[in-house]
This record gives sequence, C-alpha cells and structure tokens, in this order.
Amino acid sequence: QSALTQPASVSGSPGQSITISCTGTSSNVGSHNRVSWYQQHPGKAPKVVISEVSKRPSGVSNRFSGSKSGNTASLTISGLQAEDEADYFCCSYGDGDTYVFGTGTKVTVL
Amino acid sequence: QVQLVQSGAEVKNPGASVKVSCKASGYTLTDYYMHWVRQAPGQGLEWMGWINLNSGDTKYAQRFQDTFIMTWDTSITTAYMELTSLKSDDTAVYFCAAEPGGTSRNDHWGQGTLVTVSS
Repeated sequence: QSALTQPASVSGSPGQSITISCTGTSSNVGSHNRVSWYQQHPGKAPKVVISEVSKRPSGVSNRFSGSKSGNTASLTISGLQAEDEADYFCCSYGDGDTYVFGTGTKVTVL
Repeated sequence: QVQLVQSGAEVKNPGASVKVSCKASGYTLTDYYMHWVRQAPGQGLEWMGWINLNSGDTKYAQRFQDTFIMTWDTSITTAYMELTSLKSDDTAVYFCAAEPGGTSRNDHWGQGTLVTVSS
C-alpha cells in the first residue's frame, strides 16, 4: 500500500486550533474505522493520541480530537500549546489485514 | 503497565542479517499483537508487520514478505524481528509496539533500535 497523504507541515500560534488531514483510499481509510494518530517528539517513540478515528486514549488531553469523512481522516488540536510541537502520523488498517502510516506532519507552534 | 525493552544498536554489512529483540514485562500480553515499525533517518514511520502473541500468526507488509521474519518466545515474553539481505536503505530505527487485540491502537512502544547498514 502507498503511504497515506498528509501535509508536510502545519503551524499555529498558542491557543489556536489546527487540523491535520490524512488522505487514503477506499481500501484503507475509506472502508475502516481503524484510523489512529501518533505524536512523536524528536528522538522519542511515537505515542498514540487518537484511535478508531475519534477515540481518545486514557491520559490524552481532550484538546486532541479526530474525525473522518470518506477517504480522509483529520486530527484537530485545539488550544495549541508549546508541548504540542512534534511530528504527527496517521495510521490506517487496510485490506489484507495490514496497516499503513501517513507521510507525517510537522507541527510548529509559532 | 506494559514495558517493552529492545536490544541495542547494531552495525551490519550489506547482505548480512540482523536480529532485534523486544522484551515485554509488566503485564501478561494475552490477546495482544506485536507490531514492528521502522523509521529511516529523518523520514516517516513505516509499518512492517504484526505477530499475534496468542496464535503466532503473522502478517507482513508486502515489501517485506521475503526478507523479514517475526517470532515470539512465550517462555521469556520476548519478540524478535530478523531482517535478511540487508541493504543500505534498511538503515533505520526499528520499533516494536504492542496492540491490545482488535483495537488497532499501539499503546506501548519499545525505545527503538538503530540498525546501521554500511560497508
């Protein structure tokens, strides 16, 4: 499977909201509600912030929310904070019981 | 709380094989899947495959079907990945990640193992 498409970078000022898109196909994002989002700080392992399109794991800030429409999933970070500056990757379950990650988005807090 | 501790960095020649371990502790990983994900320097995440820790069933990403093997040793709760016929573009940090079955959510990650392929 080809990587899901994400914007290379998104930026916002503290307190603002930003949205990151993740576009796949009818073989992955479009046909399964098993889309997750991971936050990765430099030199660290990824951390899940959203699973199953819109579920927030225990301990994750409610400033993170997810949604999906057709072949595109989205992650919104509201009330942007300095600590949110990181790389974000979407990941979708797909046909053949496999997974595919997105290309990744660098979030910059201005 | 599940903890995953991976083996240390490796340097290999092209054409060689590498085996990375991922020791799980802190919880009985019943009904878990272990995924392997890699990240080349400055690049994104790439899913490689999963192994069902109950049944031993595996699923590989198509591009790794011929060169990548995942195993699980229940007796010492350790997962292994072996990558053969190494090439320079296999240079990456390799992560193991544990998913509670059916959630498609990798809750727990190892610290990563850097594998460098260079002559």
